[in-house]
Amino acid sequence: DIVMTQTPSSQAVSAGEKVTMSCKSSQSLLYSENKKNYLAWYQQKPGQSPKLLISWASTRESGVPDRFIGSGSGTDFTLTISSVQAEDLAVYYCEQYYDTPLTFGSGTKLEIK
Amino acid sequence: EVQLVESGGGLVQPGRSLKLSCAASGFTFSNYDMAWVRQAPTKGLEWVASISTGGGNTYYRDSVKGRFTISRDNAKSTLYLQMDSLRSEDTATYYCARHGGRFGPFAYWGQGTLVTVSS
Repeated sequence: DIVMTQTPSSQAVSAGEKVTMSCKSSQSLLYSENKKNYLAWYQQKPGQSPKLLISWASTRESGVPDRFIGSGSGTDFTLTISSVQAEDLAVYYCEQYYDTPLTFGSGTKLEIK
Repeated sequence: EVQLVESGGGLVQPGRSLKLSCAASGFTFSNYDMAWVRQAPTKGLEWVASISTGGGNTYYRDSVKGRFTISRDNAKSTLYLQMDSLRSEDTATYYCARHGGRFGPFAYWGQGTLVTVSS
């Protein structure tokens, strides 16, 4: 199974600050034939279902604010929120869809100071 | 608007069965691979099973293989999860999710249905 490791487990920032969170996979998620990374980021706000933010490591979904930026390749990935807003309070999960079993990281809980 | 509405959750004793349903609307159901993802109370997300557009290919996590069966009825735009021999560790909110592309990321999620396995 591909193990997804997210750090930190929680982070507290003030509104307007930049935040970065990491996701590392136990094997490469880069598929050589199409040069795509099979990595997604989700946002789960309190009491809500998860929402897909970013697919293919860096492709923002329609309607997702451009302050959410996905980057990385291979085994190391990052989600950056360039200027955190109060509504970004949530747990953020990465997920690999390179191979079954599909696996998620344990999440990074973002708290707003 | 894409909508996924789960139903069928509840309290069930260990060893018993339960069948979840997910009614889909707002898109052509038969064109998309579908999945079930669960989340134990206060825990993270865990993929359970996926099914291809026609139902011919199914995939499961090891811990549910042989106990859970994912299926779909494209004529009714409905996804199912038959859960047998339930265990306490199956207690979770079960989400129906639509894959984006061929078993791609989970582009849409339902609101979830809570399954509690307890005597």
